[in-house]
Amino acid sequence: RKEVEQDPGPFNVPEGATVAFNCTYSNSASQSFFWYRQDCRKEPKLLMSVYSSGNEDGRFTAQLNRASQYISLLIRDSKLSDSATYLCVSIPRGSGAGSYQLTFGKGTKLSVIP
Amino acid sequence: EAGVTQFPSHSVIEKGQTVTLRCDPISGHDNLYWYRRVMGKEIKFLLHFVKESKQDESGMPNNRFLAERTGGTYSTLKVQPAELEDSGVYFCASSQIAGVPADTQYFGPGTRLTVL
Repeated sequence: RKEVEQDPGPFNVPEGATVAFNCTYSNSASQSFFWYRQDCRKEPKLLMSVYSSGNEDGRFTAQLNRASQYISLLIRDSKLSDSATYLCVSIPRGSGAGSYQLTFGKGTKLSVIP
Repeated sequence: EAGVTQFPSHSVIEKGQTVTLRCDPISGHDNLYWYRRVMGKEIKFLLHFVKESKQDESGMPNNRFLAERTGGTYSTLKVQPAELEDSGVYFCASSQIAGVPADTQYFGPGTRLTVL
């Protein structure tokens, strides 16, 4: 079983729509979670960290459910510029003392259509 | 402020040859990481330096891969001899604060390696 699993999509949504991505992780000891965004043939860039209390950054809302080992990302009022691959990422505790390795999902592709 | 830079951006070599990838982290960042994405798979961790020391090399696939970070500045990743399955995009990332696992990792543009 993969450590981080995501629906690969693609999600094709019209401009202005609300879209939600889900992600599950298998390591219950994982401590830190993030959503990264990756444009085609570019590097991943941090979109936002994910906290148990939930957090919001403009049109983006991230949620963490530790009991279900589930992370979500909600994008409201989608823009054309939101088209990208969204990567669910964790730092698995126990991967080695002092290890900060990021564990990535394969990503969910979003296309926002005019 | 300059971001993480990587060189070369692309490399095409034949099986059995040697390739060296270079990464320059953001100035002042103690942590440097190497990751790799093989086609169709997720990005996977290779190793982590804190300054010049290898903190975690649990992701290195085999002894054909050698990473160095002399002087704690730039890093090189050498593949010798290269095999077909080494093809992929090699990303370098850096983060500033040692001792903070959740500190943001900034990624470079990657080196696309093709082994023929």
